[in-house]
Amino acid sequence: ETGVTQSPTHLIKTRGQQVTLRCSSQSGHNTVSWYQQALGQGPQFIFQYYREEENGRGNFPPRFSGLQFPNYSSELNVNALELDDSALYLCASSLDDRGNTIYFGEGSWLTVV
Amino acid sequence: DQQVKQNSPSLSVQEGRISILNCDYTNSMFDYFLWYKKYPAEGPTFLISISSIKDKNEDGRFTVFLNKSAKHLSLHIVPSQPGDSAVYFCAATYHGSSNTGKLIFGQGTTLQVKP
Repeated sequence: ETGVTQSPTHLIKTRGQQVTLRCSSQSGHNTVSWYQQALGQGPQFIFQYYREEENGRGNFPPRFSGLQFPNYSSELNVNALELDDSALYLCASSLDDRGNTIYFGEGSWLTVV
Repeated sequence: DQQVKQNSPSLSVQEGRISILNCDYTNSMFDYFLWYKKYPAEGPTFLISISSIKDKNEDGRFTVFLNKSAKHLSLHIVPSQPGDSAVYFCAATYHGSSNTGKLIFGQGTTLQVKP
């Protein structure tokens, strides 16, 4: 039990649509990161939020955006979905932005058809 | 550019024996390394980590070794148990002003421990 919960667990979207994935972190964890894990690959860093501000971004286009809220919840939004966006999306939270102890949620499986 | 590589996609060992999972990295700025275990339908679970100022860290049956000159780390599991069967990810990060502690993951190694 990591204290990080994600919703929905599975969803199917059509190419061109928009999706919002949600994450609820442990109380006090003011850093949240989002990762994309394609089949057979390791997770890839999308971006990180620290105290509600974006604090770093990986090699993902602007149609991937996020929000972090004061109640330790966060969102990942993806616009103009493409087939290659089909993946497991992982939310990870930690007490700080140093990456020393990071707790992952179980992920949201997104299928784009 | 794959900065963290796990060159063995899979590993099979007998219960009770040692499992050795390997990881190589290319970025000399990495100063902190982590191992995660992942079961199907679950998120990665933190196992053990090591700072670049150390060459070994031990936690129960799990030991991580770091060879900075070779840019290589390994995870030893002794003794291996069937419940250890999972995908193991190596991850690295560095704490510079241009970085935010984001993790760079390897591709993962699937470990199967046979009873």
